[in-house]
Amino acid sequence: GAGVSQSPSNKVTEKGKDVELRCDPISGHTALYWYRQSLGQGLEFLIYFQGNSAPDKSGLPSDRFSAERTGGSVSTLTIQRTQQEDSAVYLCASSPRLAEVRNEQYFGPGTRLTVT
Amino acid sequence: AQTVTQSQPEMSVQEAETVTLSCTYDTSESDYYLFWYKQPPSRQMILVIRQEAYKQQNATENRFSVNFQKAAKSFSLKISDSQLGDAAMYFCAYQHSGYALNFGKGTSLLVTP
Repeated sequence: GAGVSQSPSNKVTEKGKDVELRCDPISGHTALYWYRQSLGQGLEFLIYFQGNSAPDKSGLPSDRFSAERTGGSVSTLTIQRTQQEDSAVYLCASSPRLAEVRNEQYFGPGTRLTVT
Repeated sequence: AQTVTQSQPEMSVQEAETVTLSCTYDTSESDYYLFWYKQPPSRQMILVIRQEAYKQQNATENRFSVNFQKAAKSFSLKISDSQLGDAAMYFCAYQHSGYALNFGKGTSLLVTP
């Protein structure tokens, strides 16, 4: 079956612009995660959605970052007024519902964001 | 907060040989999961192997196996019969109760012919 997909694959934007990154999880997966991978910080958790529960936003680095998940499926990560330090690869992952495998996360290919 | 430490930024192994990647972690939880993920240049994170903390038996997946020492909070990955396609960044990760993954900084594995 199809894996996690992310778009765009690469995004170059000017400092101060807003960007939207999209994630399509594996069909039927109830949990969705966003991570950021940068040279200086490694892999960092950003936000977590589980079913219809309120998302865990504890990893978002500033109020310029937000995310939503519509209909329990597609998610969009929005970064407002981008800064150069936002340059990174943004990875999305989803996790299945079944209890015995619920903790395995399946990753998308990521979006490489470059802020100039 | 849980921390995951990978003390080897780079490792090298010859094709067909065995290599072990180290990982230690810190947690006060008793129930958790540990993972090794592989990230080739394509950026796709690929799950290599997982270990449930409540299981004493070490996980194995074909040429990949782990040495899980719960008391020592150590979780090393052994790759046997290394192949050129094993070259990648390897990340150790900790997870508690379906929550987000906490990653180490990664180990870059080079496989030489």
